[in-house]
Amino acid sequence: DAGVTQSPTHLIKTRGQQVTLRCSPKSGHDTVSWYQQALGQGPQFIFQYYEEEERQRGNFPDRFSGHQFPNYSSELNVNALLLGDSALYLCASSLEWSGAEPLHFGNGTRLTVT
Amino acid sequence: KNQVEQSPQSLIILEGKNCTLQCNYTVSPFSNLRWYKQDTGRGPVSLTIMTFSENTKSNGRYTATLDADTKQSSLHITASQLSDSASYICVVSSYSGNTPLVFGKGTRLSVIA
Repeated sequence: DAGVTQSPTHLIKTRGQQVTLRCSPKSGHDTVSWYQQALGQGPQFIFQYYEEEERQRGNFPDRFSGHQFPNYSSELNVNALLLGDSALYLCASSLEWSGAEPLHFGNGTRLTVT
Repeated sequence: KNQVEQSPQSLIILEGKNCTLQCNYTVSPFSNLRWYKQDTGRGPVSLTIMTFSENTKSNGRYTATLDADTKQSSLHITASQLSDSASYICVVSSYSGNTPLVFGKGTRLSVIA
C-alpha cells in the first residue's frame, strides 16, 4: 500500500519563474494539505483541500495556489518565485479532516530558487 | 497568538541513555497534541496523538505526556538508539482559527555511539 508520494524530489528554478509540485495521497485518503518547511524550521501550513475545494488557508500570498483532482491527488503552484520560496514542500494526507486523524506525510519536494 | 515552543533546540546523548524533550503551547481552544519524528530529508512520521483527556501515551520506547492545565507536553525516549537521531516536532491542533495545526520548530536529537 503506497503512502504519500510527491514529485519531483528536487527542483531548481530561477527567480520569477513558476513551479508545479505534485502529490498523490495515501490510498483511501481524501484530504490533502500542503506545508512549507524552511531549513531548521517547523512546517508552515499553506492550504488544505477536501472534495476538490480549498477548505482552509494559511498566511501565504496568492502566488501560492493549488488544485485537487477527482482522484484526490493534488498540485501546488507557485508563481513569480522569490529566493525566499526556497524550502522543502511537504504534502500530507488524511481521511476526512477531523482534527484527530494522524497526518501521513510524503518525503517532500526540495525547491531551490536561484 | 497560537504558538508552540520546543526545548531544547538541539540535544546530543550517548546511545543507550534516556532523554526528555519539552513542548509548551499557547494554542486555544485545544483539540489534540501530536509528536512527530522527522529524519533528515524525509517527511515527518507520527509518533503519538493525545487529546485533552489523555495524560500519557506510549509508542514503543517513546512516551508522551500531556498537562493540559499548564499547556505542557514532554516526549521521553528510553534506551536511545542511533536510529533515534532525528528532529522531533510537537504539533498542536485547535478547532478555531485559519490554521488547523500549529507546528513547533522541533528539537534536533543526535544519538552518538
